[in-house]
Amino acid sequence: DAKTTQPTSMDCAEGRAANLPCNHSTISGNEYVYWYRQIHSQGPQYIIHGLKNNETNEMASLIITEDRKSSTLILPHATLRDTAVYYCIVRDYSGGSNYKLTFGKGTLLTVNP
Amino acid sequence: GAGVSQSPSNKVTEKGKDVELRCDPISGHTALYWYRQSLGQGLEFLIYFQGNSAPDKSGLPSDRFSAERTGGSVSTLTIQRTQQEDSAVYLCASSLAISGGGYTFGSGTRLTVV
Repeated sequence: DAKTTQPTSMDCAEGRAANLPCNHSTISGNEYVYWYRQIHSQGPQYIIHGLKNNETNEMASLIITEDRKSSTLILPHATLRDTAVYYCIVRDYSGGSNYKLTFGKGTLLTVNP
Repeated sequence: GAGVSQSPSNKVTEKGKDVELRCDPISGHTALYWYRQSLGQGLEFLIYFQGNSAPDKSGLPSDRFSAERTGGSVSTLTIQRTQQEDSAVYLCASSLAISGGGYTFGSGTRLTVV
């Protein structure tokens, strides 16, 4: 079962920042927060991941609360091509079967012109 | 290659026939995964290969499903005696062992059993 909770859908205006929330209140100390997205008819695409500190790359920023129970993915200037389902996933990096990614239903982000 | 390549991109088969789906991972990636996604559903883990270790087959839904990875590179997912409920998009991903980075997924094979 997915360990995260995300809104089913969100809308964002083109050019504005898209802020996608994720709750992971049962996250453990060994678990990272990963974000993937899936554009229609394509395979999932890795976006970003983090453990405690906020992270930024060329695609997005990841803000993790101090208690690590929630996070927000930020697309600073959303474009129409960012319309996709966004998945927030927690993954144990300490060993065992930590290679499995458990995808929930994700958030359908629709970027409107 | 530059990305994970899957073939065919689309496959229509008759119920009861066998099918083979191919995945060519990124060169140097030792870990390879198969997932499937039924229409409107999330991704379902099927099988995982890591180097020369025994694969984790715990996600395979029945004994009609099997997979192999030859030479630590190309992988083939075989479905025998296909059923209509096997219709889905079959996705392959690869990564550098159990890395902290993300997995790279292919575009998938859309299987339709008629």
